[in-house]
Amino acid sequence: SYELTQPPSLSVSPGQTASITCSADKLEDKYVNWYQQKPGQSPVQVIYRDNQRPSGIPERFSGSSSGNVATLTISETQAMDEGDYYCQAWDISTYMFGTGTRVTVL
Amino acid sequence: EVQLVESGGGSVQPGGSLRLSCTVSGFTFTTSWMHWVRQASGKGLEWVSRINSDGSDITYADSVKGRFTVSRDNAKEKLYLQMDSLRAEDTAVYFCSTEKFDFWGQGTLLTVSS
Repeated sequence: SYELTQPPSLSVSPGQTASITCSADKLEDKYVNWYQQKPGQSPVQVIYRDNQRPSGIPERFSGSSSGNVATLTISETQAMDEGDYYCQAWDISTYMFGTGTRVTVL
Repeated sequence: EVQLVESGGGSVQPGGSLRLSCTVSGFTFTTSWMHWVRQASGKGLEWVSRINSDGSDITYADSVKGRFTVSRDNAKEKLYLQMDSLRAEDTAVYFCSTEKFDFWGQGTLLTVSS
């Protein structure tokens, strides 16, 4: 089965940059979306189609993709950015979520 | 305002059945593909199923294929997930989501336990 691999956790200081990677075979052939999920809440899309930001998402969230790795970057990280982040892609009518990364701001 | 509201969750014994519903508003449901996604407690997101706008094209995750059935009623603006032969590992919060995963419901909890 197709797997999207993310680091389990990431710690970042307020104001610094957090970079979350998502890796998979042939990822360059697919669009990647990213979601933020806070405890007890539903996921919120923060990036779609590799690098597009939905309306209402702060500019400090950005996305990129190169080769088999997609990256979500949070610039000038704030305490409110703490949470779990998931990448997501699809392939021939099958949709996959990444393993998830817990971002801690401290 | 786009809204998705799941309902129908609850507790069921292994081998049992349950039907979840997702009631939507604020967007054109009749032309929208829809998804079900689940999340076990403390675990990641798992895609479950996708249905196209008229119900003629449906896909499932291997983990639920043959046991779960997704359907929709466009006149009522409702999405359904019929879950049969339930197992303990189906215990999760179930979310409905729009075609591009840009809007999500709040989720409904299914617990499968004896």
